Amino acid sequence: QKEVEQDPGPLSVPEGAIVSLNCTYSNSAFQYFMWYRQYSRKGPELLMYTYSSGNKEDGRFTAQVDKSSKYISLFIRDSQPSDSATYLCAMSMFSGGYNKLIFGAGTRLAVHP
Amino acid sequence: EPEVTQTPSHQVTQMGQEVILRCVPISNHLYFYWYRQILGQKVEFLVSFYNNEISEKSEIFDDQFSVERPDGSNFTLKIRSTKLEDSAMYFCASSEGAVQETQYFGPGTRLLVL
Repeated sequence: QKEVEQDPGPLSVPEGAIVSLNCTYSNSAFQYFMWYRQYSRKGPELLMYTYSSGNKEDGRFTAQVDKSSKYISLFIRDSQPSDSATYLCAMSMFSGGYNKLIFGAGTRLAVHP
Repeated sequence: EPEVTQTPSHQVTQMGQEVILRCVPISNHLYFYWYRQILGQKVEFLVSFYNNEISEKSEIFDDQFSVERPDGSNFTLKIRSTKLEDSAMYFCASSEGAVQETQYFGPGTRLLVL
């Protein structure tokens, strides 16, 4: 079983739709959960960072973590064409103070006008 | 806004040649990382670096790879004898601290080994 699983998509939605992106993981030691956005041929850009279970909201973005189910989600409200990108989930655990990130495969999202 | 920079943006090299990829992390950051992304695959951790030494490395980071902080601003990844399978996008990242600290990524260097 892969450590982090993420459906690669592609996901195509109309402008204004609510988008739901998800990852599952197998290692219960993961404590920190992140969503990065990656535009074509660019580096990952941090969108959301959460620790422990629960919801975190930032503008049109909501990150949700369910540690009991080992499942994390990112919701995008009122999606815009500029949201078209690949969305990467990433997670890490405390391991002696060092913080390597384990990434999912990324979900490619296309928002069409 | 401070950002991580990387040079070159693209590098083409012959198999067996040495390459050095360069990164300038954000100035007050103390933890530095290299990741790579083979085309169509996930971003993979290579190595983390703190206080002038490697703190953790992955199985990918074998004896052909080395990292260095030659001065107060640069952070480099050297591949001694490149192989075809080293072709990938290489990302440098840095963070102010370790735990609970955001890692900021550079734009990447696209390495093509022929």
